[in-house]
Amino acid sequence: AQTVTQSQPEMSVQEAETVTLSCTYDTSESDYYLFWYKQPPSRQMILVIRQEAYKQQNATENRFSVNFQKAAKSFSLKISDSQLGDAAMYFCAYRSATPGGTSYGKLTFGQGTILTVHP
Amino acid sequence: SAVISQKPSRDICQRGTSLTIQCQVDSQVTMMFWYRQQPGQSLTLIATANQGSEATYESGFVIDKFPISRPNLTFSTLTVSNMSPEDSSIYLCSVVGGPSYNEQFFGPGTRLTVL
Repeated sequence: AQTVTQSQPEMSVQEAETVTLSCTYDTSESDYYLFWYKQPPSRQMILVIRQEAYKQQNATENRFSVNFQKAAKSFSLKISDSQLGDAAMYFCAYRSATPGGTSYGKLTFGQGTILTVHP
Repeated sequence: SAVISQKPSRDICQRGTSLTIQCQVDSQVTMMFWYRQQPGQSLTLIATANQGSEATYESGFVIDKFPISRPNLTFSTLTVSNMSPEDSSIYLCSVVGGPSYNEQFFGPGTRLTVL
């Protein structure tokens, strides 16, 4: 079974600064997806960024980028130029990419990291 | 992208009663998933709802407690039966989507409080 670990229960950052959230995972599969979701107090799960395991290039979405280290099974999220609106709970998640497999479509989440942004 | 709606958005219920949560997707999807998020916790998968067959439950979740219906490719319901305060959680439905099925979309969630 896959596991996802976020070792930072809470992180804080000053507005306009950069912060990195850590995530490690364990799997025996070679083809999978990794996601970072943001959950503000409204509880809506918002997709921040997605990484396909077969891609060596790290995914980026505007101020958000990942450091994907497949061999180390590490998937950290870097938020640049932090904004007050970035304050939320962030979840790292794993999903198998094997169609038809018993785990297909099922997300395994880490414990979450609460990010506070100070003005 | 898929747009997902859930009803109700929140509810307060008495212990021993049941609540049915609805999930509607704006496009046809093969697989729908139900997750539970207990207060201050991460999300845990309850079950996979497949159209035309019984739902598949994860370890620790049983059909008698969380019966699921999937009458068509755009709709599913999750019932929380014989509720206790421990069932107080946010319940979210989710679907796989995107042009390469490499995305995962979530509904806005249903916040349930059991007194």
